[in-house]
Amino acid sequence: NAGVMQNPRHLVRRRGQEARLRCSPMKGHSHVYWYRQLPEEGLKFMVYLQKENIIDESGMPKERFSAEFPKEGPSILRIQQVVRGDSAAYFCASSHPNRGAYNEQFFGPGTRLTVL
Amino acid sequence: DQQVKQNSPSLSVQEGRISILNCDYTNSMFDYFLWYKKYPAEGPTFLISISSIKDKNEDGRFTVFLNKSAKHLSLHIVPSQPGDSAVYFCAASARETSGSRLTFGEGTQLTVNP
Repeated sequence: NAGVMQNPRHLVRRRGQEARLRCSPMKGHSHVYWYRQLPEEGLKFMVYLQKENIIDESGMPKERFSAEFPKEGPSILRIQQVVRGDSAAYFCASSHPNRGAYNEQFFGPGTRLTVL
Repeated sequence: DQQVKQNSPSLSVQEGRISILNCDYTNSMFDYFLWYKKYPAEGPTFLISISSIKDKNEDGRFTVFLNKSAKHLSLHIVPSQPGDSAVYFCAASARETSGSRLTFGEGTQLTVNP
């Protein structure tokens, strides 16, 4: 039973380029979350999605960042016109839809984005 | 506004002894708390959780205690093993008001010495 998959594991971009980060949730999980960890900090919530719906994007920067979770395929976190401050580890997590009040989130290995 | 705080950036203990990691929170709407362990270059791994209706939850060597009046929780690991050396994150959610998103502390680096 594969866990949460993220690719690529490492991504290098130059300033102004676009970054696309992919996340495939655990089998049976339809809830996906994206978190960002800046150096020497804890994880910060960005966005919560269910299939074809954005449920909570209160942690997303207002510009350049977008996320989707289509009916088919992985969830995508897209960063346009990257800047050096976007360099961070981006983690995806998934949870089961029917756990009721207790929804442990299971994390992928992360994508480490470096902006040159 | 750091709503979840882990005031000890690091902790060092001897193998076989108890490790106690602490976490404080400020948001009284938090009602579900989790601990994650993280190794370098890996994602966080879920360890144990506790609902606000309980004050203790135990799973093998790991026990989490919740003191709601003090807005404080702790993770006890006993006996500690060298493989427990990792960064431990406390996380909280306020399901009624903020849904499923987790708010994390800054982490505590635990080192267990053989």
